[in-house]
Amino acid sequence: GAGVSQSPSNKVTEKGKDVELRCDPISGHTALYWYRQRLGQGLEFLIYFQGNSAPDKSGLPSDRFSAERTGESVSTLTIQRTQQEDSAVYLCASSLAMGLVSEQYFGPGTRLTVT
Amino acid sequence: AQSVTQLGSHVSVSEGALVLLRCNYSSSVPPYLFWYVQYPNQGLQLLLKYTTGATLVKGINGFEAEFKKSETSFHLTKPSAHMSDAAEYFCAVSESGAAGNKLTFGGGTRVLVKP
Repeated sequence: GAGVSQSPSNKVTEKGKDVELRCDPISGHTALYWYRQRLGQGLEFLIYFQGNSAPDKSGLPSDRFSAERTGESVSTLTIQRTQQEDSAVYLCASSLAMGLVSEQYFGPGTRLTVT
Repeated sequence: AQSVTQLGSHVSVSEGALVLLRCNYSSSVPPYLFWYVQYPNQGLQLLLKYTTGATLVKGINGFEAEFKKSETSFHLTKPSAHMSDAAEYFCAVSESGAAGNKLTFGGGTRVLVKP
């Protein structure tokens, strides 16, 4: 079946503009994660959704970052008033369940460049 | 809080030689440990994981890793490197029992395979 998809694959925006990144998880996956990968660094956890539970937002770096997910489907990550330090690859992952250690399946990422 | 350290951001090996990527972690509870591989312009792919039980874990593409609690290590090895192993490798940890299986990643090790 189809894997995790993300759009756009690349986004260039001017400092101060808002951007919206989209993630389509694998069908049936109840858990969804957003991570950020800055150049030359590992991935940083941003936010996690599990079904209809309240999301875990503990990794969001500032209040300019927000994310939504409707049910167990698409998620959008929004960055308001973008700054140059927001430039990174934003990766989305989904998994079957949270109770056991389920494998997280990653999308190809959205490369965001803030000029 | 958990953390992961990968020793060496770049590793160069000859084709046919041993691949050894080092990973040390810190965790306040028994950890779950993972190795992911990222090929250029692709998302992360799970190589192997340790949760409980046997400490020597075998993964895909001939890779294996050994969990050593006394050394807080989870080093990744492959006896004979292949050109297709050129990629970036990430070690990650999540805390057993914690909600959400959030992954904490190391900084990554880029592997170059010389013919």
